[in-house]
Amino acid sequence: EVQLVESGGGLVQPGGSLRLSCAASGFTFSGYEMNWVRQAPGKGLEWISYIGSSGTPIDYADSVKGRFTISRDNAKNSLYLQMNSLRAEDTAVYYCARGLPPDYWGQGTLVTVSS
Amino acid sequence: NFMLTQPHSVSESPGKTVTISCTRSSGSIARNSVQWYQQRPDSPPTTVIYEDHQRPSGVPDRFSGSIDSSSNSASLTISGLKTEDEADYYCQSYDSSNQVFGGGTKLTVL
Repeated sequence: EVQLVESGGGLVQPGGSLRLSCAASGFTFSGYEMNWVRQAPGKGLEWISYIGSSGTPIDYADSVKGRFTISRDNAKNSLYLQMNSLRAEDTAVYYCARGLPPDYWGQGTLVTVSS
Repeated sequence: NFMLTQPHSVSESPGKTVTISCTRSSGSIARNSVQWYQQRPDSPPTTVIYEDHQRPSGVPDRFSGSIDSSSNSASLTISGLKTEDEADYYCQSYDSSNQVFGGGTKLTVL
C-alpha cells in the first residue's frame, strides 16, 4: 500500500523557516517523481514544487521560487521542503504527492505563519 | 503559464448526471493529460480520473472523463449521483514539470 506521511508543520513567525518531511513507503521511492502541493484554508490546490526521481530536474511555482527548496533522499525514502522567509500567505496544508501527474497524496501537514 | 477554469459550484439531485468543465486558457488541452481529483472535507485529494479518461482501480464507472479540442476543455461526468459524491473536484494538467490546478468545483448532491 502506498503511504506518504508528511511531518514538520507548525506555527512559525513571519520571516521564519521550517523544514517539512514526507516519508514514503509501499513503493519504490527512487523510481518516482515527487511534488509538494499546498492548500490555503478554504482555498484550492496550488502546486509549488517538483523534483525528478534522481533529484533533478527541479521546478518551483513563482510564488515560492527563491524561498523554498525541494530535496529528496532516496536512501531514506524521504522528500523534503525547506521553507525560508515565510509569509502569512504561506499558511496552508502542505501535501506531498507522488508522480507527474500526481496519483497518491499524503494526509498533509499544516503550516501556520503568524506573529 | 496557462490557467484551468472550472465553475465554482454545481448541484444536482441523487440519481441524476452532472458534468463539470475545465477550460484551458492557452495551449492545447490535448498537449498533456488532464487529471481529476476528488476532495472531501478534511481529507486529501484522491484521483478519480487520470490521462483524460482513465479510472483508477476502485473508482466506480459512474465517473468518466473526456477532452474536447474544439472548446479546449476537459470534462468530468458523474452519473447516477450519490450523496457520497458530494465533494470538491479539481482538474489538473501540466506543461513539462510546471503543474496547474483548476480553482475547484463544489458539487452538492441534494
